[in-house]
Formats: sequence, C-alpha cells, structure tokens
Amino acid sequence: QSALTQPASVSGSPGQSITISCTGTSSDVGGYNHVSWYQQHPGKAPKLMLYDVSNRPSGVSYRFSGSKSGNTASLTISGLQAEDEADYYCSSYRYSYPLGGVFGGGTKLTVL
Amino acid sequence: EVQLVESGGGLVQPGGSLRLSCTASGFTFTTYWMNWVRQAPGKGLEWVANIKVDGSEKYYLDSVKGRFTISRDNAKNSLYLQMNSLRVEDTAVYYCATDLGHLQFDIWGQGTMVTISS
Repeated sequence: QSALTQPASVSGSPGQSITISCTGTSSDVGGYNHVSWYQQHPGKAPKLMLYDVSNRPSGVSYRFSGSKSGNTASLTISGLQAEDEADYYCSSYRYSYPLGGVFGGGTKLTVL
Repeated sequence: EVQLVESGGGLVQPGGSLRLSCTASGFTFTTYWMNWVRQAPGKGLEWVANIKVDGSEKYYLDSVKGRFTISRDNAKNSLYLQMNSLRVEDTAVYYCATDLGHLQFDIWGQGTMVTISS
C-alpha cells in the first residue's frame, strides 16, 4: 500500500486535458509545498516534471502544470500528445515519523 | 553532459550482500544531497535512503534500517549503497538521484537491477 493515493489509470484523446490527483495527509502533501511529479516511460528512469507543487524544471513543457488543495495535489497535462503516454508518480516529503520520501502508487496515462 | 551511472547490481541469494555504486559527472556533486530510490518489478517507486553533502546525516526507509548503509566519496564524485542481509523483497531496480531539496529528485541514473533469489 502506497503512502500517497493516485488513480491507477487515466486516459484522454490528443489535444484534450487530463488531471491526475495525489492524496496524502497533513504530514506529507498537506504539510508544505514540497510535492513533485515524475514521468516514467517503460524501461526508462523517472524524469522530474514538477517540483514544489507547480514549478517546472528547465526543458519541461508548459503543458504540464500543478496545484494543491489541502492534502491533495494535482498534475494537469493540457494539449495531450502521444508522447505523454507514460506512468506518472507524485512524491512528497513526510514531516512526521518515519521521516523520508513517500511516493504515490503511480498512474498510467493512456493517450487514446 | 549531466549524468549519474549506477553499477554493482546482480543476482544474490537471500541473506547475501551487494554494494551499489553511482558515479556522477557534468555537475557539482558536492553541492547535492544524494538519494537511492528503488522500483520492484512492475511496481511503483520507493525512496530508500539519502545522505547529506558532507555525509554527516543519513536517513533510511524503515524496512532497510540496520541492513543498508549509504555513503559517499566526494573526491571520487561517487555514492554507494552497501546492502546486507538481503531479502527477496529487496529485488528491484535501484536508482541514484540528486536532491533538489526536500526529497525532490531532479537528476536520475539509468538504474541497476538487484535480484534476490535462491
């Protein structure tokens, strides 16, 4: 059982927008704005897509955006493209025992 | 080119040991906290351990405490994970990753596979 809860799968057609939720507790997601999102294609290493809830690293498309409300963070991908099809993981720092990083179980995005 | 390269994975019997290495290049290794993150076959990501820039602080996932030891050699731009008393459930791809801050991982290696089986 993962510490953070994500939907197992989401899907959308090219050009559409999708949102992936990530629900934790006040000891992680809800505690501070240190939520990150990762994209992972099959057989590849994860790639950081967003950090501190909504900041994009250099080189990440503006189509990726993030937000947070209470204990739930969200990743939105607008203008879906075929190459967006991948697994997406959220992560947060846990501010109470046991300290450390916690991940969501991952969401498989299918571009129809 | 910014790069992390892991090595040292392999097949080990339960109860055995392995030492993973991660070599950094293309960025200033000595300014980053470093992490190990693992992924069991077909499963999600799991943070394992991290270490401060000077090695003075180390933190571990509860299930590996007392069995795994994270260390670094800044002179060699290298990170290590000594894994002892290995269990079947430690089977995973192990990634090293830099820490952007508060366990947000910005540079990842390609991973090294660790298989624990008799």
